[in-house]
Amino acid sequence: GAVVSQHPSRVICKSGTSVKIECRSLDFQATTMFWYRQFPKQSLMLMATSNEGSKATYEQGVEKDKFLINHASLTLSTLTVTSAHPEDSSFYICKWRRGHNEQFFGPGTRLTVL
Amino acid sequence: LAKTTQPISMDSYEGQEVNITCSHNNIATNDYITWYQQFPSQGPRFIIQGYKTKVTNEVASLFIPADRKSSTLSLPRVSLSDTAVYYCLVGDPESNYQLIWGAGTKLIIKP
Repeated sequence: GAVVSQHPSRVICKSGTSVKIECRSLDFQATTMFWYRQFPKQSLMLMATSNEGSKATYEQGVEKDKFLINHASLTLSTLTVTSAHPEDSSFYICKWRRGHNEQFFGPGTRLTVL
Repeated sequence: LAKTTQPISMDSYEGQEVNITCSHNNIATNDYITWYQQFPSQGPRFIIQGYKTKVTNEVASLFIPADRKSSTLSLPRVSLSDTAVYYCLVGDPESNYQLIWGAGTKLIIKP
């Protein structure tokens, strides 16, 4: 399968700071990617859908000014959690869509806000 | 979007065949059925996808009856490393599918 990387894999930050998470597809290009978050012992929740060159589409309840998505290229997307608070502590996972049916998840980023 | 229902947890033993069934009564004509595996603190990993009848790959088989209202993931000869959470998702690949993730099935394999 295709390779997707996320950086960092873990981050701990103080409340009020901003954190940037990078997601890269290493061996393919794709126009559409997705950001999910997963709270402990819960399932994945879609946050937003992003197409290269256009603004991201956010799911209901997800603040676009708080979770900034920059889909910089066909292989790189970043999610910035601005003014992070403890309730933003979660596991953030990106996913790239290639072609008709293929979707590949990144390894995830564990964010802990103190 | 079709909602899915799976058992919350299952136990089995090494070397056994494990079948996990998922109900999706409201599946639409264009929907495919996809199964993912997730280990703790890792992103989900694609296992198998199907539309109808039976699909088999190197790691699993997927059985889908004619009415498509359910599906069964079959893992042959499981090992301890198959202990994970397994998610069944239903959606149309042409749209932003797999929007809703159910709770998944926590599979525990014992020695």
